[in-house]
Amino acid sequence: GQQVMQIPQYQHVQEGEDFTTYCNSSTTLSNIQWYKQRPGGHPVFLIQLVKSGEVKKQKRLTFQFGEAKKNSSLHITATQTTDVGTYFCAGPGYSGAGSYQLTFGKGTKLSVIP
Amino acid sequence: DAGVIQSPRHEVTEMGQEVTLRCKPISGHDYLFWYRQTMMRGLELLIYFNNNVPIDDSGMPEDRFSAKMPNASFSTLKIQPSEPRDSAVYFCASSPPTGANTEAFFGQGTRLTVV
Repeated sequence: GQQVMQIPQYQHVQEGEDFTTYCNSSTTLSNIQWYKQRPGGHPVFLIQLVKSGEVKKQKRLTFQFGEAKKNSSLHITATQTTDVGTYFCAGPGYSGAGSYQLTFGKGTKLSVIP
Repeated sequence: DAGVIQSPRHEVTEMGQEVTLRCKPISGHDYLFWYRQTMMRGLELLIYFNNNVPIDDSGMPEDRFSAKMPNASFSTLKIQPSEPRDSAVYFCASSPPTGANTEAFFGQGTRLTVV
């Protein structure tokens, strides 16, 4: 079945430093989604990338979708304490009979040291 | 809309007891997903429904787990009998009819502790 792998698993940064998490899929994806989960909270949708090589920005966050549509990255510039949480990528997968499911990576837990 | 609503938010139960988790998806969403989250295994898809019909339950760990969706606005996940290793946060999520091409909206989750 489809696998979505994310690295690193944990990242500790000093406030103001940059942060990047990487996502790789075992299969080509029609799109990739990114979610953020604050400590004690639930995953919240951040963005979806659809096109090969697509780059999208949300303030200090930059999302990229690889040319082969099998990998993606999230880069945060000048981290702030509000960026603390776990960042997940997720890719839709299809199995027989039109079955669809969203497969999540294990996430990258970001800690920001003030 | 109030979003995806799950109940209870917290559940502590003794091993061997039956546990029922409840979910109300967002109105108009016809995909409903049950996920389990643990430190070791991350977010695991247990089962999902499309138009109230279970489509893929390959993620359900054992026969002790069962899920139903009797109508478009309600789903349950039942564990019977519960075991300590079932302790986790269980999330319900729903998506609009476009399915794979749109985001999943998660509920607040139910934190289950089996002692």
